[in-house]
Amino acid sequence: EAGVAQSPRYKIIEKRQSVAFWCNPISGHATLYWYQQILGQGPKLLIQFQNNGVVDDSQLPKDRFSAERLKGVDSTLKIQPAKLEDSAVYLCASSRDFSYNEQFFGPGTRLTVL
Amino acid sequence: QQQVKQSPQSLIVQKGGISIINCAYENTAFDYFPWYQQFPGKGPALLIAIRPDVSEKKEGRFTISFNKSAKQFSLHIMDSQPGDSATYFCAASMIRYKLSFGAGTTVTVRA
Repeated sequence: EAGVAQSPRYKIIEKRQSVAFWCNPISGHATLYWYQQILGQGPKLLIQFQNNGVVDDSQLPKDRFSAERLKGVDSTLKIQPAKLEDSAVYLCASSRDFSYNEQFFGPGTRLTVL
Repeated sequence: QQQVKQSPQSLIVQKGGISIINCAYENTAFDYFPWYQQFPGKGPALLIAIRPDVSEKKEGRFTISFNKSAKQFSLHIMDSQPGDSATYFCAASMIRYKLSFGAGTTVTVRA
C-alpha cells in the first residue's frame, strides 16, 4: 500500500509571503493530522481531521495558519503571512480511524523562512 | 507544557551494545505509549507501542519497559547496529486523543 504523500519536499520563502503544503493520506484512512516539527523537538499537532471535519485545532495559530480537507481525502495547510519562527518541518500523518492510535507519517515538507 | 519528558537528548553506543532511552509523563489518564523512529529526511515511523496493563513488551531487539507507579517508560535497543542510528521519540496519549511527543533522542551506533 502506498504511504502518505506530501509536496513539496522543500520550500524557501521570504517572511510575510504565503505558502501551501499538500498531503495525500493512505487510501481509506479517515483521520488526517498536520504536525509542526521544529529542529531538535518532537512533532507538535497543529490540526486533526476526521474525514473532512476538524477534531482538534487547539494549537493551530489561526491568525496565520489555515487547513482544509475537502472530500475527506487530500488536505492542504497554508501559512499566510509566514514568520521566521515558522521555519520547521511540516509533517502529515494519517490513521485508519479516530480510534486507531497508530499514525503513519509522510516524509514532511521542510520550510525555511528568510 | 511538555507532557512527556525524554532523556537523554543524545547517546553514542558501540555496535552490539545496549541503548536505553527514558521517558516520564504526568497525565495518569494516558493509556497508549508508542515509540517512533525517525531517519534524516523521513517522517517518524512506529517502532513499538505498549498499553499500561503490561510492564514489558518485546519485539525483536526492541523492548519497552513500563512502570505505571513511577509514570515512566523506557526503550531498550539490544545488540545495537549501525542501522539503528536514528532519532527516537516517545509519545503518550489517551485513546481517541492526540499524541504528545517527547523531544527526541538521537542515537549514534559506532561500528
